[in-house]
Amino acid sequence: SQQGEEDPQALSIQEGENATMNCSYKTSINNLQWYRQNSGRGLVHLILIRSNEREKHSGRLRVTLDTSKKSSSLLITASRAADTASYFCATDGGDMRFGAGTRLTVKP
Amino acid sequence: DAGVIQSPRHEVTEMGQEVTLRCKPISGHNSLFWYRQTMMRGLELLIYFNNNVPIDDSGMPEDRFSAKMPNASFSTLKIQPSEPRDSAVYFCASSRTSFYNEQFFGPGTRLTVL
Repeated sequence: SQQGEEDPQALSIQEGENATMNCSYKTSINNLQWYRQNSGRGLVHLILIRSNEREKHSGRLRVTLDTSKKSSSLLITASRAADTASYFCATDGGDMRFGAGTRLTVKP
Repeated sequence: DAGVIQSPRHEVTEMGQEVTLRCKPISGHNSLFWYRQTMMRGLELLIYFNNNVPIDDSGMPEDRFSAKMPNASFSTLKIQPSEPRDSAVYFCASSRTSFYNEQFFGPGTRLTVL
């Protein structure tokens, strides 16, 4: 099995700034998903990008996928204090595993 | 839609006791997942059911752990006997069709084994 590995482990920014998180994986995938977890809560699905897609948008979220580099990035634009959470990527490739996550703190 | 329902939300027990965690997936979802989350190990997939059948239980840590899904609307995760290292938050999730689609997570059960 493989899992996504998020980078950085922790990120602290000011409200209004953009936040970029990265995910790397090792083998071929069919899709890659990003999830958010608020402290003490379950994970919430944010976006799914398929292997034949390069970029996808959802509101203030922008996800890119580079299958040649086996990496994905999640960009949150105009961040808000409410975006403070941990963000996980999950890949399939025959098996789906979650990475350790990026802990994002947005300071008001 | 009520979402994935887990019970209890918190469980405190003593080492050696049996613990049963319960999950009701979203109606119409065919896949159900049990995860365990700790600071040290992150989020680990324990077992995955599809159409009530266990598909992958390679994440179950040892024989003390067992999971069942007697019907499409109910699953249990049992630990017998429990140990302090089992202390974690246990999440149940369900998805509409398969492992590779969006998963909907329950609120989790925080288990403390003393």
